[in-house]
Amino acid sequence: ETGVTQSPTHLIKTRGQQVTLRCSSQSGHNTVSWYQQALGQGPQFIFQYYREEENGRGNFPPRFSGLQFPNYSSELNVNALELDDSALYLCASSLGWGETQYFGPGTRLLVL
Amino acid sequence: GIQVEQSPPDLILQEGANSTLRCNFSDSVNNLQWFHQNPWGQLINLFYIPSGTKQNGRLSATTVATERYSLLYISSSQTTDSGVYFCAVEGGNKLVFGAGTILRVKS
Repeated sequence: ETGVTQSPTHLIKTRGQQVTLRCSSQSGHNTVSWYQQALGQGPQFIFQYYREEENGRGNFPPRFSGLQFPNYSSELNVNALELDDSALYLCASSLGWGETQYFGPGTRLLVL
Repeated sequence: GIQVEQSPPDLILQEGANSTLRCNFSDSVNNLQWFHQNPWGQLINLFYIPSGTKQNGRLSATTVATERYSLLYISSSQTTDSGVYFCAVEGGNKLVFGAGTILRVKS
């Protein structure tokens, strides 16, 4: 059984560009959540997908969007990148709502 | 929304010492998890503990849901225990994290 995987591990972009981050959920998990962790802070919830539908969203602007595929893998897209988007982006999968969330290793995004 | 507070913010221990980390939360919750974040950023699940007490080796956790707090105990600390410890509670369908406790274990 493979755990949660994320790609790429690191990414450097410039302000105004667009980025796509990817996440493969743990086998059998149908729920994927995305979090942003700025330096020195705890992770902040971006949104959650359950069976390909958005199932809740945190306090992030619409330029943060996502997608979940039939195999339950997921993408996080960020448009019009800003310097403050520099962070560690974490994906977590779970068997469903309220179940234990298991995190991937994260993608470190640097916006210059 | 639900608030999560962790204490202490920083902790320095000598190898072999014991420690207690605390997590207070502002509302009733269905789910509480403790994580250890290693220096590479990986969040490692320690406990899923909405109530009661659990133990796993040198680590144990207790959650008193009626009083809205949870404790993480680390006994006989080792240098590999260093890192950031997060408490997170389920608020709706999302995890709400505390600011974490930075633990440094010195040899």
